[in-house]
Amino acid sequence: DAGITQSPRYKITETGRQVTLMCHQTWSHSYMFWYRQDLGHGLRLIYYSAAADITDKGEVPDGYVVSRSKTENFPLTLESATRSQTSVYFCASLLGGVGTEAFFGQGTRLTVV
Amino acid sequence: AQSVTQLGSHVSVSEGALVLLRCNYSSSVPPYLFWYVQYPNQGLQLLLKYTSAATLVKGINGFEAEFKKSETSFHLTKPSAHMSDAAEYFCAVRMNSGYSTLTFGKGTMLLVSP
Repeated sequence: DAGITQSPRYKITETGRQVTLMCHQTWSHSYMFWYRQDLGHGLRLIYYSAAADITDKGEVPDGYVVSRSKTENFPLTLESATRSQTSVYFCASLLGGVGTEAFFGQGTRLTVV
Repeated sequence: AQSVTQLGSHVSVSEGALVLLRCNYSSSVPPYLFWYVQYPNQGLQLLLKYTSAATLVKGINGFEAEFKKSETSFHLTKPSAHMSDAAEYFCAVRMNSGYSTLTFGKGTMLLVSP
């Protein structure tokens, strides 16, 4: 299916476990982003990538790791999950160039217990 | 650097009333500006965008926004609210220069009463 997909949609994990959230886009967009959404904070940027093998930290990167070996995939790993990482995570992609908009996945609701 | 401020975490209107959601931005270079809408348990959907062409931008579902450089604003309006407009709305900014991220405001929840 064309578009941007996230998996899983829902995840419950225990404190200290490693968790990987997947993001896949079919448009060959250059940019990809990971945001977390928390009540009162809106969307905060965790990491972003301008191309394969190019990643940069956003506003709240601590405790997260990303990689982008292929243009279409941008997984987000929580190395050792903490309760403060309970959130809804959104992946987005953006073509790049003049005024192009970002397209969002449906989100992953992560609960750390 | 870039940032977005949305005034009012919640806005309540009656069905048929004017909708006005406020957004002010800060950007060191000419920006691209966006409004997104999020319905419960869904991702974000683009409503409209400003890309330095016309300052009055029309979007989907009857929404429009006006870019005012002197006021660094990009407020979202709709003449007549519908119950289906109830959702959370996000303003976002991206700098018009090369390698740039997309920065969001904290969002405004629009509540529509009958």
